[in-house]
Amino acid sequence: DTAVSQTPKYLVTQMGNDKSIKCEQNLGHDTMYWYKQDSKKFLKIMFSYNNKELIINETVPNRFSPKSPDKAHLNLHINSLELGDSAVYFCASSPTGSYSPLHFGNGTRLTVT
Amino acid sequence: DQQVKQNSPSLSVQEGRISILNCDYTNSMFDYFLWYKKYPAEGPTFLISISSIKDKNEDGRFTVFLNKSAKHLSLHIVPSQPGDSAVYFCAASSGTYKYIFGTGTRLKVLA
Repeated sequence: DTAVSQTPKYLVTQMGNDKSIKCEQNLGHDTMYWYKQDSKKFLKIMFSYNNKELIINETVPNRFSPKSPDKAHLNLHINSLELGDSAVYFCASSPTGSYSPLHFGNGTRLTVT
Repeated sequence: DQQVKQNSPSLSVQEGRISILNCDYTNSMFDYFLWYKKYPAEGPTFLISISSIKDKNEDGRFTVFLNKSAKHLSLHIVPSQPGDSAVYFCAASSGTYKYIFGTGTRLKVLA
């Protein structure tokens, strides 16, 4: 009965590869997010989707492409991975896009070698 | 430009005493504030929130105080327990689908 689930939990890959991270929420929330936690532990918003529509794209390189097939899923595809992409990526959801708490998944630790 | 700051990277408190975690923000448009707790290898867990129309919100052992004029909020945990040892993040929003997080404070509660 996990609320926000991400797969995989760990992802190790080489530079130049393409990889995807999947996220699903069973809370019935309308809004989903991707956050990146870098080596300095700073949690930074990447994307926000509301009912499958992109609301926020926070100056993320074009190599990152989110896809929301329905409002319960928000996947993140990353092309041509670079060393600097190594981080922990968190998916989150909220009932609405404002004035309601985010519910986070447990993160995907991406290591690019 | 970091709009939400937690200037204390770490804090140690004796079990049973009060833990006070602080957070400052610069954007006067922020009107909704949250605190999260994070254990290693897990996602942040929501603790408590406060709207800018209030200056205090309480939930069990957790109380959040908001000082709008100083652009400052704090989280009080009373009494502190060893299980409270975690990293605490504050976050702020102006109702725009965008939540800005601070860099976190690592709390260690000593038994």
